[in-house]
Amino acid sequence: GENVEQHPSTLSVQEGDSAVIKCTYSDSASNYFPWYKQELGKGPQLIIDIRSNVGEKKDQRIAVTLNKTAKHFSLHITETQPEDSAVYFCAASIVEGTGGFKTIFGAGTRLFVKA
Amino acid sequence: EADIYQTPRYLVIGTGKKITLECSQTMGHDKMYWYQQDPGMELHLIHYSYGVNSTEKGDLSSESTVSRIRTEHFPLTLESARPSHTSQYLCASSEYNPGDKAFFGQGTRLTVV
Repeated sequence: GENVEQHPSTLSVQEGDSAVIKCTYSDSASNYFPWYKQELGKGPQLIIDIRSNVGEKKDQRIAVTLNKTAKHFSLHITETQPEDSAVYFCAASIVEGTGGFKTIFGAGTRLFVKA
Repeated sequence: EADIYQTPRYLVIGTGKKITLECSQTMGHDKMYWYQQDPGMELHLIHYSYGVNSTEKGDLSSESTVSRIRTEHFPLTLESARPSHTSQYLCASSEYNPGDKAFFGQGTRLTVV
């Protein structure tokens, strides 16, 4: 089955610097890759996603890149701010035989942005 | 803002008690999920549903049970709570097809003493 690995587990950056979180997946049939941000005391919230027919997507300070050949995708946050501090999860979705889909989450990255 | 709600937010309960964690969504989503989140952050899928009268076990074995009598409601029940059930429980929903973006509730932090 699908396996998603996420690195690093903890990341500390200075305010204004960039942060990069990387994920790899095992099943080449995966076709949807969302990223979620979980703030303290809250549930994960979708912040950006990318489909397998696209190599890069950007939304203001966040961007996601996908390399289908290497089966890895990354989250890039530029000009980090203290409010970016949170846990970030990557995920990979694959269509199941039943016609539904299955989403596998990475283990999470705890990002600290130091002011 | 996602329209998915979990109650209670926090619950402290004694061993052996029966508890039900509530989850409701007003988005008309067919697919709903329950995740258990350990202190190390990782999300473990314990139950999911494709729609009314559909319930499936997830990747992590759980002593809890779920039901899906109405589209909008997906409660999780523990018949006899134990300290090992202490955890954060997250409910989520998504459309069935194409089915991908998941919307999470705020979570229920359960402590069994």
